[in-house]
This record gives sequence, structure tokens and C-alpha cells, in this order.
Amino acid sequence: AQSVTQLDSQVPVFEEAPVELRCNYSSSVSVYLFWYVQYPNQGLQLLLKYLSGSTLVKGINGFEAEFNKSQTSFHLRKPSVHISDTAEYFCAVSDGNTGKLIFGQGTTLQVKP
Amino acid sequence: NAGVTQTPKFQVLKTGQSMTLQCAQDMNHNSMYWYRQDPGMGLRLIYYSASEGTTDKGEVPNGYNVSRLNKREFSLRLESAAPSQTSVYFCASSSYGGTEAFFGQGTRLTVV
Repeated sequence: AQSVTQLDSQVPVFEEAPVELRCNYSSSVSVYLFWYVQYPNQGLQLLLKYLSGSTLVKGINGFEAEFNKSQTSFHLRKPSVHISDTAEYFCAVSDGNTGKLIFGQGTTLQVKP
Repeated sequence: NAGVTQTPKFQVLKTGQSMTLQCAQDMNHNSMYWYRQDPGMGLRLIYYSASEGTTDKGEVPNGYNVSRLNKREFSLRLESAAPSQTSVYFCASSSYGGTEAFFGQGTRLTVV
């Protein structure tokens, strides 16, 4: 069975500081990995995805993530955050077959001025 | 581009009432999904449909039924609503192989 753990429920950070949102997964098969962002009262928007190939994945809005198979992690990073990055972020895993997503619990990123 | 469209956006039900949440996608995707979002629990899969004519249970199917009406539409029905079904419901779709899922804007359901 697959599972996803987001290690921080809330991450407060000052504007222009770097940030890392942590995600660990478990799976017995090859996986696809995703980060989604949810702004207040909206649906989920894909930030980035890892399907295969390079372990460093770049996404929208300056975010990137690194797939680490040995540590079963897929941490999300941004070198300098903006107020507009305040949102909830979800890490998710898929088996790449059915397309079913298993989500982590979510991390609320609070960017302070 | 409409993408994934859900109706209604908000709904209040009394315990025991029934309702159907509608979802349609215009991306010619084979697979469609219904998730529920609850605080601190992320999103959990209720039902999914890998292709037209097929449906399968997800992690939390109890109290729900679904219909894949055609390739575009996938509805979720609550036959007898309970307060535990108060949640935000998201419909999503993806092409075969699930390399990316596209989500609707959500339906906020309150059962009193």
C-alpha cells in the first residue's frame, strides 16, 4: 500500500526567505510524485510532478522539488517566498496505472511580511 | 477552457436528505475521480472511474454512490446524508496512466 506523510502541518516564514516543505512516501512499486497548491476557497493546482528522469524537478511560481529514492522523499523548495505563496500545499503519490492519488495531510505555508 | 466543472458550489442538507453532485470535464480524459477534503486529513478518494462504464471504490466509499454517465460526466450521490459527510468534495480527471490530475473548484457541503 502507498502512503504519504507531510512532516509539517504549518510552516511560518518571512517574505523573501527560503522555504522547504517536507514530504516522505512509502510504496512497493514505482511511483509518480506530485505537489499541488490550494489557495483559499479554490481547487487544487499542479505545482510540479516527477514521473521519471532527472530527480530535480522544476515547477511553476519558482518552486522545485527533488526526488530521493533512497530516502523516499520528495521535498518542495523555493529560494525566496512571496506573500502570494501563502496557501496549503499537498504532496501526493500515484501508481501511474489507475491514476488514483494518495495525498498527504497538507502543509499550510504562512508567509509573513 | 472550462476544464473540470462541478455543481453546485455550496449546499446545505438536512440529515437524511439526498442529493447528487455533478461533475463534467471537457478534456477528453478517460479517468475521473471523487475526493473529499477534511481538515488535517488531506484529500481521500471516494470513488473513481477508470473509463466510461466502469467504477470502483476508493478509500472512503461508504454512504456514497456514483454514476459514470458518459465519458464527460461523473456524478456522486448521497442517498441519506449524515453530518459525517460534511466536507468539501472535489472532482478530478486524468488521461490514461494518470500523469496529471485536473481538479474542479469543489463543492462545500454542510449536513445539519
